[in-house]
Amino acid sequence: GAGVSQSPSNKVTEKGKDVELRCDPISGHTALYWYRQSLGQGLEFLIYFQGNSAPDKSGLPSDRFSAERTGGSVSTLTIQRTQQEDSAVYLCASSLASGGSSYEQYFGPGTRLTVT
Amino acid sequence: DAKTTQPPSMDCAEGRAANLPCNHSTISGNEYVYWYRQIHSQGPQYIIHGLKNNETNEMASLIITEDRKSSTLILPHATLRDTAVYYCIVRPVFNDYKLSFGAGTTVTVRA
Repeated sequence: GAGVSQSPSNKVTEKGKDVELRCDPISGHTALYWYRQSLGQGLEFLIYFQGNSAPDKSGLPSDRFSAERTGGSVSTLTIQRTQQEDSAVYLCASSLASGGSSYEQYFGPGTRLTVT
Repeated sequence: DAKTTQPPSMDCAEGRAANLPCNHSTISGNEYVYWYRQIHSQGPQYIIHGLKNNETNEMASLIITEDRKSSTLILPHATLRDTAVYYCIVRPVFNDYKLSFGAGTTVTVRA
């Protein structure tokens, strides 16, 4: 079946501009996660959605970052007034989730963001 | 969470089995062992997970020692497309959704 998809695959933007990154999770997955991965670094958790609500936003680096999810499906990560340190690969994952149990997360291909 | 220790790199011949070790000596009874891999320029890919028993799926086998302090991921017939960084992590059974990868093992499959 279809996996997690993300768009765009690559985004180059000028410092100070806003960007929107999109994630389409696997159909039926109620949990959705955003991570970012800087060059040569590990995963950095950003935010977790269960349905349309975000119980954990603790990983968002600053108030320039926000995310929403609508219809329990598509999610958008928005970065306002981008800075060069925002350059990274932004990864989205989804999983079945119920009762707080850990489930395997399936990742999309990522969006490579470059801020010039 | 329990920490894991993996060798930084290993080579494997194409068509041979690749055995990837992982130490997790501080694992507790309610923690799973998970394996993911990341092929260059792609998102991480879930491989397999287990709690106590050995597990097998279409991608790999997971052997967990009886004391659960270590495990081995086995790729039965490595191909060039299996070249990737492989991550072993431990996760609580409940209420843990933040994946955190260490350095992993860089596996290079050679023809």
